[in-house]
This record gives sequence, structure tokens and C-alpha cells, in this order.
Amino acid sequence: NAGVTQTPKFQVLKTGQSMTLQCAQDMNHNSMYWYRQDPGMGLRLIYYSASEGTTDKGEVPNGYNVSRLNKREFSLRLESAAPSQTSVYFCASSDWVGYGYTFGSGTRLTVV
Amino acid sequence: AQSVAQPEDQVNVAEGNPLTVKCTYSVSGNPYLFWYVQYPNRGLQFLLKYITGDNLVKGSYGFEAEFNKSQTSFHLKKPSALVSDSALYFCAVRERKSGANNLFFGTGTRLTVIP
Repeated sequence: NAGVTQTPKFQVLKTGQSMTLQCAQDMNHNSMYWYRQDPGMGLRLIYYSASEGTTDKGEVPNGYNVSRLNKREFSLRLESAAPSQTSVYFCASSDWVGYGYTFGSGTRLTVV
Repeated sequence: AQSVAQPEDQVNVAEGNPLTVKCTYSVSGNPYLFWYVQYPNRGLQFLLKYITGDNLVKGSYGFEAEFNKSQTSFHLKKPSALVSDSALYFCAVRERKSGANNLFFGTGTRLTVIP
């Protein structure tokens, strides 16, 4: 089925550990995004990639890095996890026009 | 900067009654506005969008939204609520930046439809 696939779905990390969240889309979209969702705060943009080879910071980039590996894949890395990064992370993609996004099903990350 | 506000954290409505979920926006230029719905443990699903044209926009699952430029509002509506409409609803505004179309979301409104 066409869409956005995120792995893993759940993860528990200890403070200071690192991990990479994976995202892949098969809709031939140019742009990809990483958001985090926290209660009462909605979704906040962490990083985005307008097209293959480009990445830019969003609203809350501190503590994260990203890689646009190719047109399909956009990964999010936590180098040294902190409890404040406990959240649900969503990857999304859109075409050039940007009239709508397609979201992945999310990764629930807990940092203890 | 673009932003949206959802003034109600929670909306309760009886099944069969009309529902409204409120959203106001602040943008420079023409607004590109969206509504998304999130069911438990799921990603966001697109409901409808306003780009230009008619102020009443129809979307998925019988939802519609009314764009009001003078009041800078984009309220989500449905004539008759279903229990299955219970979910978390997000209003969003698009900002085009560095070649990307970034969506900025409100804080969400939890809709509960009471049988």
C-alpha cells in the first residue's frame, strides 16, 4: 500500500543513548518532514527536507539531526537522548504543491 | 509567522447533533488552511483544505469547514455527529519556506460524541 512507513513503532531509551528513527515514502513526493507530538502542544516541526539533498531546521531542532538519504528516505537521529525527547514522532511527505501531507503512523519514544 | 489557534481543548456533543470545532488563524498573505483528524494510536488523516474559491469547503466523512476572512476563522462543522467521529482534530496553516510547504498545527481539539 502506498504511504509513509516509520520504524520502529515503539522504543525505550536510556538517557544518553542514541538512536535513529527511519522513514520511507513510496509516493514519489519531493518533500519530507519530521514532527513531534506532545500533549497540549499539537505537532511541532523538527526538521524538513524540501527535496533530495536539502534539509532545514524547523521549530524545535535542538538535540536532533536528520539525513535525507535519497528521495524516498528521511531519517531522524537522536545523538544523546534526554527525557525531554519523550514524545510521539511523526514523519510526513508532500508533493511540490503541498496541498496535503501524508503521515506515517508514528514512533512512540520513551527516554528514561 | 503563520499560526493557528484552537481555543477549545475539548468539545462534547450528543450523537445526531451538529458539531463545530473552532480554529482561528494568523497569516501574512493568502491563507492555505487544513483540517486533520487523529484516531487513537494512529497518524493524522487529511479531512479538507481551503486554498481559494468558495468559502464553504467540503471534505471527507461528511465534514465541511467555513472560511471567514473577516473573522480569520476556519471552523470545522458537521450537520449530524456520529460516535465514530470521536477523535482529536487539528487545524493547520501552510507556510512555504525554502522550497518546502511546512504545516503549522494548532494544539488540537478532542471531540467526544456522546451516544
